[in-house]
This record gives sequence, C-alpha cells and structure tokens, in this order.
Amino acid sequence: GAVVSQHPSRVICKSGTSVKIECRSLDFQATTMFWYRQFPKKSLMLMATSNEGSKATYEQGVEKDKFLINHASLTLSTLTVTSAHPEDSSFYICSAPYLGTQYFGPGTRLTVL
Amino acid sequence: SQQGEEDPQALSIQEGENATMNCSYKTSINNLQWYRQNSGRGLVHLILIRSNEREKHSGRLRVTLDTSKKSSSLLITASRAADTASYFCATDATGANSKLTFGKGITLSVRP
Repeated sequence: GAVVSQHPSRVICKSGTSVKIECRSLDFQATTMFWYRQFPKKSLMLMATSNEGSKATYEQGVEKDKFLINHASLTLSTLTVTSAHPEDSSFYICSAPYLGTQYFGPGTRLTVL
Repeated sequence: SQQGEEDPQALSIQEGENATMNCSYKTSINNLQWYRQNSGRGLVHLILIRSNEREKHSGRLRVTLDTSKKSSSLLITASRAADTASYFCATDATGANSKLTFGKGITLSVRP
C-alpha cells in the first residue's frame, strides 16, 4: 500500500527558532499534499494544500508567512514553522492522495518552549 | 456546526460487543471516509464509501451511507481491545484528490 512518512516525529525547540517538518510519499508520487494541525483531543484542521511546482494554498486564518510550505518534488513537501512560539505547539500531520484515498503520515509532535 | 460531525463523542463497550458510530455532514459529497487514530499517532484509513454506494464491508467493518439524510454509520463487529482509538469521518466534496473535512471524532474504548 501507499506509505507516507514524516520527519521528525518529535521536535522540541526554543521560542523564536524555526522548525522544518518533512513529508514524503515513499512509494508513489503526489502532486498535491495536505498539511493538518491537531490539538489535543480535537479533530484535524486543514492548514494548507501543498502543490508541486507552484505556491501552496492556505486555508482561511492560516498565516502563510508563519507556515512556509515548499513542495520541491513529487515525493516531498516541507512545512517550516517560522519564529515558533509556544502557541504553535501542536501535532502536525500531512497526507497525500493515491488512487482516490488519502494516506496520512505518522505526524510530528512540535513543542515550543 | 461542522461538516462531518460524529456521535457519540465517546463510546465505551465490552470486548466482543459491536460498536456503532454515526457521522452527519451538511454539504454534498463525492465520498466519505472513516479513519482511525491511535493516541499520538497518524491516521489509518479504514474504508471509503462513494456517494452512489449505500453499504460497504471490510472485514469486521461495515459502513453505510444515507445521502438523503446526509449521514453515515460505522459498525465494528466483535470489538477487540485493540480497536480502542479515536475514529473520524471525513468528507470529500470535490473529487477523490481534494481536501478532506474532518468531523470532531469519536473516542472508542473497548474494555477487555
């Protein structure tokens, strides 16, 4: 089946630093990937759609300068949380579609001190 | 209200019992999918049902879709302790590769 990986699985950083999260489709190509954010005991909130070769599409209320998305190849999308603050602490999950089904990465737990 | 709302919010059952979870949505959809999430993990795709389908089976899972009522149900038969997880329904309004809208999720606890 289709596999999506994320790296790192956990990251702890100091306030004001930037953190990059990678999302890879391991055995298929994805021209589109999606980035979600999930708060404890809450549902997934779509942040943006990552498009290979073009700009990402951000959902309303998501700061594009805060959450930089780069879809550099057909198997890799990166999310960079710039100048992270404690309120950015969350669980970030990516997904990629393959044959009509969305496959999710294992998620990245970001903690900003 | 949100698209894709599940009920109940939490469900606790004994191992061996069946678990039924419901999901309602508000707009027209192309398909509806159910996912499972173990605590602190990513989502695992369980089953997809298209808008022109009414029922689908996969192992111990049975999902139904009623587009007239804009609702779906997920039935897990003969539950196991390993089924303990959060379950989400997600709707896709514009095509198989389009973004999903998730419901709030149901926390299922299966007691051994």
